[in-house]
Amino acid sequence: KAGVTQTPRYLIKTRGQQVTLSCSPISGHRSVSWYQQTPGQGLQFLFEYFSETQRNKGNFPGRFSGRQFSNSRSEMNVSTLELGDSALYLCASSLGGIFSYEQYFGPGTRLTVT
Amino acid sequence: DAKTTQPPSMDCAEGRAANLPCNHSTISGNEYVYWYRQIHSQGPQYIIHGLKNNETNEMASLIITEDRKSSTLILPHATLRDTAVYYCIVVTNTDKLIFGTGTRLQVFP
Repeated sequence: KAGVTQTPRYLIKTRGQQVTLSCSPISGHRSVSWYQQTPGQGLQFLFEYFSETQRNKGNFPGRFSGRQFSNSRSEMNVSTLELGDSALYLCASSLGGIFSYEQYFGPGTRLTVT
Repeated sequence: DAKTTQPPSMDCAEGRAANLPCNHSTISGNEYVYWYRQIHSQGPQYIIHGLKNNETNEMASLIITEDRKSSTLILPHATLRDTAVYYCIVVTNTDKLIFGTGTRLQVFP
């Protein structure tokens, strides 16, 4: 079974621009979660989508948004990029449902904002 | 929200058991404890989870104290490939994942 894939793997953007990251979950998984990882803050939860609906949200500004499509693929968008948005963005998929946190992570997208 | 506390780093000799502690003193009755690990440059990997009882799978064992305020992840026979950052996570009532600080486990020959 194919794992979680994320595209692109690496991205360089300029302050003020926006960016869209993509995540394809494991086949049959309906839940997709997004995380931001930085050396200073560690792994932080951004949001989770389940069956095209945002089910949970972390403490990030509204510049961070996401969506999920009917095939469970998900995209994350960051608008008006700031230098502090430079990070590894990870997505994870799981079967879904309450407490189904046996999540499978993708390799991540490394975003650099200059 | 429950918060976890872990030691920043630990060492373990190859072949010996690695015991990684986690404190979650504010955990609520229906919150689960999950453990993940992250090997350098890779996404985190699920290891094990539990609620009240001790759990064991092919990777590790999880020991949860009776008052549920702390737990220990046990890798029974550590190998060099177990060198990673280990995260203890509590699933809150609102289903937000809060990662601990993580313990950097270094397994040496």
